[in-house]
Amino acid sequence: EVQVVESGGGLIQPGGSLRLSCPASGFTVSNNFMAWVRQAPGKGLEWVSLIYSGGDTYYADSVKGRFTISRDNSKNTLYLQMNSLGAEDSAVYYCARVGQLERRGDGGFYYYSAMDVWGQGTTVTVSS
Amino acid sequence: DIQMTQSPSSLSASVGDRVTITCRASEVISDYLNWYQLKPGKAPKLLIYAASTLQSGVPSRFSGLGSGTDFTLTISSLQLEDFATYYCQQSHSTPWTFGQGTNVEVK
Repeated sequence: EVQVVESGGGLIQPGGSLRLSCPASGFTVSNNFMAWVRQAPGKGLEWVSLIYSGGDTYYADSVKGRFTISRDNSKNTLYLQMNSLGAEDSAVYYCARVGQLERRGDGGFYYYSAMDVWGQGTTVTVSS
Repeated sequence: DIQMTQSPSSLSASVGDRVTITCRASEVISDYLNWYQLKPGKAPKLLIYAASTLQSGVPSRFSGLGSGTDFTLTISSLQLEDFATYYCQQSHSTPWTFGQGTNVEVK
């Protein structure tokens, strides 16, 4: 079964650090784009970070310089290292596979990025 | 950054109703537009990608239209399991951005 399961969330004091893990099964993390998305209490979804299969990484401005996305190919696991946490980082954090999904068009087949496999999320609460 | 604006932010509907949600991008994104369904305590679910292509396993009562800046998600006949929050998301360029969500609730 293709799935991802997030872990590592919890209660952390402001200024602290936390590392989220996302082991995958049924597919190879390093062969795929992978993403982190979060949802703060009472708010909508917010894209946090993206890692390409080639290793390029991208971040939302709100986390740039504080969060680092990475993967361990031997463990088939995606990570999110979160430093200098603040109350605004409190959220449910989701890990997602970014599928390269096919659409047939006039000139042939085209491929689009969409988050097609999601975990159920892990909750991070930043509070003193 | 590309801003995604969804409307309405919430709507009330009954089983069997036809429901349409609109999403507008602040600049042209071609058809790099995805729709997701989110229910409390559950993993988000991809419904539609490339603006109009139904993801495998998603019921055909869901459909998407649009290109450029204006997009719609339509549920042709609302079912009990469709009461949820729906989000559009652009994958045209980073930072990826979501609409603010549309909560579909029971009338």
